[in-house]
Amino acid sequence: EAAVTQSPRNKVTVTGGNVTLSCRQTNSHNYMYWYRQDTGHGLRLIHYSYGAGNLQIGDVPDGYKATRTTQEDFFLLLELASPSQTSLYFCASSAPTGQNTLYFGAGTRLSVL
Amino acid sequence: QQKVQQSPESLIVPEGAMTSLNCTFSDSASQYFAWYRQHSGKAPKALMSIFSNGEKEEGRFTIHLNKASLHFSLHIRDSQPSDSALYLCAVSPSGFASALTFGSGTKVIPCLP
Repeated sequence: EAAVTQSPRNKVTVTGGNVTLSCRQTNSHNYMYWYRQDTGHGLRLIHYSYGAGNLQIGDVPDGYKATRTTQEDFFLLLELASPSQTSLYFCASSAPTGQNTLYFGAGTRLSVL
Repeated sequence: QQKVQQSPESLIVPEGAMTSLNCTFSDSASQYFAWYRQHSGKAPKALMSIFSNGEKEEGRFTIHLNKASLHFSLHIRDSQPSDSALYLCAVSPSGFASALTFGSGTKVIPCLP
């Protein structure tokens, strides 16, 4: 089973604060994704990446930056956090095969006060 | 932008009964269709997927796809307490190298018959 590790698991910050969410996968997957999950909205794609140095914009990118430093590591940055970014954030990875199965990390719960 | 909608929002299912979850999508060029299951407090996990029109069965679960109707569904037979979860449908333009767009989910709540 693919292993995707997110840190921190929980984070509380204040409005205007800077937050970095980290994700590491150890399965040699090329593709990595950041989603947010909110009640009534399911999972919404923020940013994704095809490999180190690559970044693709998702469906809800406003207020977020992302960086893929290595094949293993994908970071999500909130530079001026707002209460609307309070959410459960999931990182996922997948291999470039016909079955585009996403393997999710355990999630980071972020509260912006 | 792809729109994916699920119905119903929640479902109470007697143990041993069969139930159906629905998913509609807006992009007729979509080629990959999947269901994910998310137990309470856990990460989503892939359940099953399909590329072509028709049906695919895996154990108690059957996925049915009708591209012309922009609709696919998940049928669960012989409902078990372990089926209690949020079920998320997902669609992508192709089988690989493309991000999944998720629906908002259907919460399945098993009950005693």
